[in-house]
Amino acid sequence: ETGVTQTPRHLVMGMTNKKSLKCEQHLGHNAMYWYKQSAKKPLELMFVYNFKEQTENNSVPSRFSPECPNSSHLFLHLHTLQPEDSALYLCASSQEKDTQYFGPGTRLTVL
Amino acid sequence: AQSVTQLDSHVSVSEGTPVLLRCNYSSSYSPSLFWYVQHPNKGLQLLLKYTSAATLVKGINGFEAEFKKSETSFHLTKPSAHMSDAAEYFCVVSRGYQKVTFGTGTKLQVIP
Repeated sequence: ETGVTQTPRHLVMGMTNKKSLKCEQHLGHNAMYWYKQSAKKPLELMFVYNFKEQTENNSVPSRFSPECPNSSHLFLHLHTLQPEDSALYLCASSQEKDTQYFGPGTRLTVL
Repeated sequence: AQSVTQLDSHVSVSEGTPVLLRCNYSSSYSPSLFWYVQHPNKGLQLLLKYTSAATLVKGINGFEAEFKKSETSFHLTKPSAHMSDAAEYFCVVSRGYQKVTFGTGTKLQVIP
């Protein structure tokens, strides 16, 4: 798990708060991903960055705003979230075409 | 288009008995296939991957999977289950780093 780190591991926020999730990869990869994992649903790919450029946005609401300042860091800025946004948010990175390596996730609860 | 189906949402085995987790896929191209494992409150860990080399793929912790093109299957097996294998397992089909599709997961319970 030390290859991809995520902070915080747990976050509780109100619907009017603004918070950010951070992901850092120490693997020298050039692509980074945000996923949402909700109970009883398949893993949902939210955003993909390749060489700091966003290449995928799977119809994610604008209350989720990603930022990739360099190929090692990825942020997910959150504002005015809804209770249904409560989930485990996973970050991943890859260098090869397909193999992704995941962080431990941030457990988000929106009150 | 591509898709992946994990045929069992829950599998229960006794410790020391074989494990079989089933996965079928659909892809218009020659896909890459993966199995990941997720322990409670952890991220996903790569178990093994198939990328058009040998059809029998060996992974970590004694797991292996066989790619069967004629059956469009990629089932995960282990000869003898251990208590530490209790987790959720995800089958994944991929065509490039943007086209990644996860299965819905199979929860493996190991009974002492």
